[in-house]
Formats: sequence, structure tokens, C-alpha cells
Amino acid sequence: EIVLTQSPGTLSLSPGERATLSCRASQSVSSNYLAWYQQKPGQAPRLLIYAASSRATGIPDRFSGSGSWTDFTLTISRLEPEDFAVYYCHQYGSSPPRTFGQGTKVEIK
Amino acid sequence: QVTLRESGPALVRPTQTLTLTCTFSGFSLTTSGMCVSWIRQPPGKALEWLALIGWDDDKYYKTSLKTRLTLSKDTSKNQVVLTMTNMDPVDTATYYCARMAGWRAPFDIWGQGTMVTVSS
Repeated sequence: EIVLTQSPGTLSLSPGERATLSCRASQSVSSNYLAWYQQKPGQAPRLLIYAASSRATGIPDRFSGSGSWTDFTLTISRLEPEDFAVYYCHQYGSSPPRTFGQGTKVEIK
Repeated sequence: QVTLRESGPALVRPTQTLTLTCTFSGFSLTTSGMCVSWIRQPPGKALEWLALIGWDDDKYYKTSLKTRLTLSKDTSKNQVVLTMTNMDPVDTATYYCARMAGWRAPFDIWGQGTMVTVSS
């Protein structure tokens, strides 16, 4: 089973700042099948990025993903008030089980 | 428009069996590649993948829960049913179903989730 470790656990930033979130896998993620989700309180997660760097439908271009093999990054270029949330990475390249990281909370400083 | 909706009991007693239904629209589980997964999230904690069922009726379960989980689908009703036996308070969580538009695909559409509390 691939273990995903996200860092930092919490990121305290101000609107307009750049956010950089990390996701590290315990082994190589096949074909970069790595996704990022955003979750706000009381809501279901929303797909932001898939295949490491492709934005899902309707996702603003301030969200970008990068990385390969075992190291992946989600970048939010300029934080908007609605971007303060918890972000999860998820690998879907291996045969099940599918796994999630433990999440990074982006909070207002 | 693709939608999924989870339904089931809000309260379950310890040792009982939980049955959750995911009713979906906008896609068919007879379409090659389509899959539905169940994911849960204990209060204040991270997401945890539980199980997956594919268009071809292949099923996969989280290893540590394999003996307690069963998936089935009813393609005529556009439903996927998850049963979890021997419920324990640690199983208290919001349970989500989500679509995967391919065997190796992310969870692109999620249901709103259903909160299940296990308590006597």
C-alpha cells in the first residue's frame, strides 16, 4: 500500500499570498496518477487536480499541480478568501487500495 | 449532470450491520470503465478509502476492513450498496460515495455524504 505524507499539517497565510503544499509517496506513483482535492467544512471534497498537473473542469488557473514519481506539489498562486480549506492528495495509480494523504489545512493568518 | 446521493441510518448500535445506498444519475455502471467508490471521514479526521466496485462487477476492499465490507450494485436502479458488519464506535464517520470515470481515475464527482454515528 502506498502511503502519502502531506506537509505541512497547517499553513497560515494571508489572502494574496502563495501557498505551496507537498505530498510525498512511500513508493513511486504509477503514471503520475496523483490527484488533489479541496474540502471546506461541512462539504464533500472537490477534485482540483488529476494526473499530477491537470486541472479539473471549472478549477481556476491559480491552482496548479506539479511533480512526479514520489514528490508532488499543489500551488495556489494567490490565495483568495474562498481557498482557505483542507487539501488532500490521493493516489490512484496502483491496484487498490487507493490512499489519501492526511491533509493540509490552509488557514487565514 | 452527474449526481450521487448516499442514504442510510444516522444511528447504528454497536455490533449491528450498517447498510448504505448510493443512488446516482447521469452515468451508468454498465458503461465500460465506470466505477463507484466508498470513502469515509471520521469527525475532524482525514479521508479513508473503503471499497470500489466496477462496471464489470469487480470489487476491491480496504485490506484491514475486508472481512466486514460487502459491495453490490443494481444497475437497473443505478444504485451501489455497501454493507459493513459488526459496527463499532470507531466507525462513526461521514460516509461518501464517489464516481470514478475509469479504472485508474480520480474521484471526480462526490455525493454530499451521510453521517453515521455508532453508539449504544
